[in-house]
Amino acid sequence: QSVLTQPPSVSGAPGQRVTISCTGSSSNIGANYDVHWYKQLPGTAPNLLIYGNNNRPSGVPDRFSGSKSGTSASLAITGLQPEDEADYYCQSYDISLSGVGVFGTGTKVTVL
Amino acid sequence: QVQLQESGPGLVKPSQTLSLTCTVSGGSISGGGYYWSWIRQHPIKGLEWIGYIYSSGSTYYNPSLKSRATMSLDTSKNQISLDLSSVTAADTAVYYCARGGHSGYDQIEYWGQGTLVTVSS
Repeated sequence: QSVLTQPPSVSGAPGQRVTISCTGSSSNIGANYDVHWYKQLPGTAPNLLIYGNNNRPSGVPDRFSGSKSGTSASLAITGLQPEDEADYYCQSYDISLSGVGVFGTGTKVTVL
Repeated sequence: QVQLQESGPGLVKPSQTLSLTCTVSGGSISGGGYYWSWIRQHPIKGLEWIGYIYSSGSTYYNPSLKSRATMSLDTSKNQISLDLSSVTAADTAVYYCARGGHSGYDQIEYWGQGTLVTVSS
């Protein structure tokens, strides 16, 4: 059902940089709606990581950054740490969904 | 600090109605002009937005649920409820209550811990 596509998995060694893409369309990201990112550890609720495309809530390390261009967005993690191993989801709004938001398909980040 | 706690039966029979309640503490559900959401996560799958209810009571539902979902506010108890009718095994999921911002476009700032609902006879 999701209209935002993410790679199923990405991996990297500690200290490396990884990026997660979130590909949408002209009815969501391309319509200039903001993109938000969440981190989810096993058995817990998602936790806000990035809001409004590139803003970090207090307490989120500056190793995490977001960007948006056209119909896509990206989350970058620099200086990868073992505690970054988790599932990551993007979220936006889609005008075709009767006023309801939409999540990405999710990406599992593995720290090698 | 806003806290949300979901409650309801963990097992529902097929064709019946799933009913969940979210109790909010640390803030009034009728104040502040916030959007309150129900979101679910199927086993080994991603997140699906069920719908929003605004603090005024206005509702927005995911069209994929084909009008089976109903959300409401109980301001006297500071609770948000979800009813999902005619459930099938495909409705088995962890159900989260969550609070967004002042717009339906905003991020989710607070999540409940989630409650697993299994649909099975």
